[in-house]
Amino acid sequence: AQKITQTQPGMFVQEKEAVTLDCTYDTSDQSYGLFWYKQPSSGEMIFLIYQGSYDEQNATEGRYSLNFQKARKSANLVISASQLGDSAMYFCAMRRSGTYKYIFGTGTRLKVLA
Amino acid sequence: EAGVVQSPRYKIIEKKQPVAFWCNPISGHNTLYWYRQNLGQGPELLIRYENEEAVDDSQLPKDRFSAERLKGVDSTLKIQPAELGDSAVYLCASSEPPSIRDTQYFGPGTRLTVL
Repeated sequence: AQKITQTQPGMFVQEKEAVTLDCTYDTSDQSYGLFWYKQPSSGEMIFLIYQGSYDEQNATEGRYSLNFQKARKSANLVISASQLGDSAMYFCAMRRSGTYKYIFGTGTRLKVLA
Repeated sequence: EAGVVQSPRYKIIEKKQPVAFWCNPISGHNTLYWYRQNLGQGPELLIRYENEEAVDDSQLPKDRFSAERLKGVDSTLKIQPAELGDSAVYLCASSEPPSIRDTQYFGPGTRLTVL
């Protein structure tokens, strides 16, 4: 069965510093996608970054990068130069290729300190 | 480009009352999803539509939940009668025709409180 584990319920980071949010996954599939979403207090889930299981390079989107270690089954999100607006819940998700169903983790609440 | 629109944003009802949520997806997105997000958890899929057709409703509690997507655009999710355990955030999402990436774009959700 597929499973996403986010072991950090909450984290603090100082403004302008980098922070890593952990995500490990469990799957027996060879082809899958990994996603990170941000959920601010307003409730909307905002797509941040995607990594395909066959992608050889780590994905990057602006200040977001995904540290993908396939052998360890980890897909950590790195946020560089944290901003106050980065304070939110962050969810890691996985989707088996050819299916539509996301499996979400329980999320990490990030608080950026001024 | 407008995002996924949902209404209402908040709803408080007493148990056994009916409630309905509305969703308007991103223009051109054929696939529409309804999720339920319980407190402290990630979203869980309730139902997925491809145009007008519900192609995956295996997680929808059909005894009290129903959904429709007339004309393949807007969608409504209904609960009748509501129970205390239905208190949650109901999220709607949409995506373009199938692709490897298949990123889903979410609306702001409806926060339901059942008293």
